[in-house]
Amino acid sequence: DQQVKQNSPSLSVQEGRISILNCDYTNSMFDYFLWYKKYPAEGPTFLISISSIKDKNEDGRFTVFLNKSAKHLSLHIVPSQPGDSAVYFCAAYEGGGADGLTFGKGTHLIIQP
Amino acid sequence: ETGVTQSPTHLIKTRGQQVTLRCSSQSGHNTVSWYQQALGQGPQFIFQYYREEENGRGNFPPRFSGLQFPNYSSELNVNALELDDSALYLCASSTGRGRPQHFGDGTRLSIL
Repeated sequence: DQQVKQNSPSLSVQEGRISILNCDYTNSMFDYFLWYKKYPAEGPTFLISISSIKDKNEDGRFTVFLNKSAKHLSLHIVPSQPGDSAVYFCAAYEGGGADGLTFGKGTHLIIQP
Repeated sequence: ETGVTQSPTHLIKTRGQQVTLRCSSQSGHNTVSWYQQALGQGPQFIFQYYREEENGRGNFPPRFSGLQFPNYSSELNVNALELDDSALYLCASSTGRGRPQHFGDGTRLSIL
């Protein structure tokens, strides 16, 4: 049973526009959320995180929004650049649980020139 | 600052064999986690080590075991290899719980 769901396997966005990647979760014990970016033949690279006590966190072109009541988070990338083409994973920590991250299946973001 | 390094990069084994994968954590990190990533899936948590002790475990059988050494490097051992163990094995280190984990580039394990 997938506790972290990324329902869009792929997303195509024009260069310069906003990319919005979505993530839903079912476990109400998750209290810390992270986004990772992965290029082929490389490990995931940490992008940005958010604690469950916040609803927004911003770092340069990347902003993560958290809606706890809807159990939904999203990653906004503005403006999108060619180097942003990669697979993006949403991940979560469970408060008081095992200290591993629970990941979604990923969304392949393709930035079109 | 040295990042997380894993060895070997690729490995081919046959069913029933045993394998050891190695990981050096990022400088200053004392916590190491291991993940299995099958094709088309997100990484799945295997276990985590902190101060040389297992600190949490995912839904993996006991034939998956590990070690952490005083310098915070770590090993993942898998016994009695099965075809389904074919995957990318990722190591990640962090400064503790609730902190971002930083990943190595993984070991690609193929079971024939």
